[in-house]
Amino acid sequence: QKEVEQDPGPLSVPEGAIVSLNCTYSNSAFQYFMWYRQYSRKGPELLMYTYSSGNKEDGRFTAQVDKSSKYISLFIRDSQPSDSATYLCAALNTNAGKSTFGDGTTLTVKP
Amino acid sequence: DTGVSQDPRHKITKRGQNVTFRCDPISEHNRLYWYRQTLGQGPEFLTYFQNEAQLEKSRLLSDRFSAERPKGSFSTLEIQRTEQGDSAMYLCASSLSTGETQYFGPGTRLLVL
Repeated sequence: QKEVEQDPGPLSVPEGAIVSLNCTYSNSAFQYFMWYRQYSRKGPELLMYTYSSGNKEDGRFTAQVDKSSKYISLFIRDSQPSDSATYLCAALNTNAGKSTFGDGTTLTVKP
Repeated sequence: DTGVSQDPRHKITKRGQNVTFRCDPISEHNRLYWYRQTLGQGPEFLTYFQNEAQLEKSRLLSDRFSAERPKGSFSTLEIQRTEQGDSAMYLCASSLSTGETQYFGPGTRLLVL
């Protein structure tokens, strides 16, 4: 079993929809939780990170972590066609140094 | 441009050949990471450096793989005796010491024929 599991998708929504992307993890030692966006044939781009449980908002994006259920979410409000990409969740135990990634969810926002 | 750069962007090689990739991190970042990504999968950790010290290597990094960061700045990843299973995107990332904000380069796409 992978330490970080991500809803595989793909996900297709109309422009303006609210998008929910989800991951679960199994390692209680993870402290930081990150969301990356990756366009085709490009490197991942860090969107935002959260430390421990709680919410973090950045514009149209909200990251949510629930450590009690080991659940990570990213919400995108008012989705735009330019949001079409693969979204990767990741988790980090700073004592181990490395990040562990989910396999990504491919999102398509249709105009 | 002050982002992470990787060279080459694409590499096609024949099975059994050696290849070397280079990564130049963001200048003030002391951590540098190598990941491998195949189609439909997330990046898989290979190894990382704190300055010039290699602190961790994944089990994925067989003895055919070696990475260096000789002066704590750029890094190289060498694959010896390449196999078709080595075909993948090789990603480099850098960060400050805490590691939660890793910035990725564009990747080197390797195809082994």
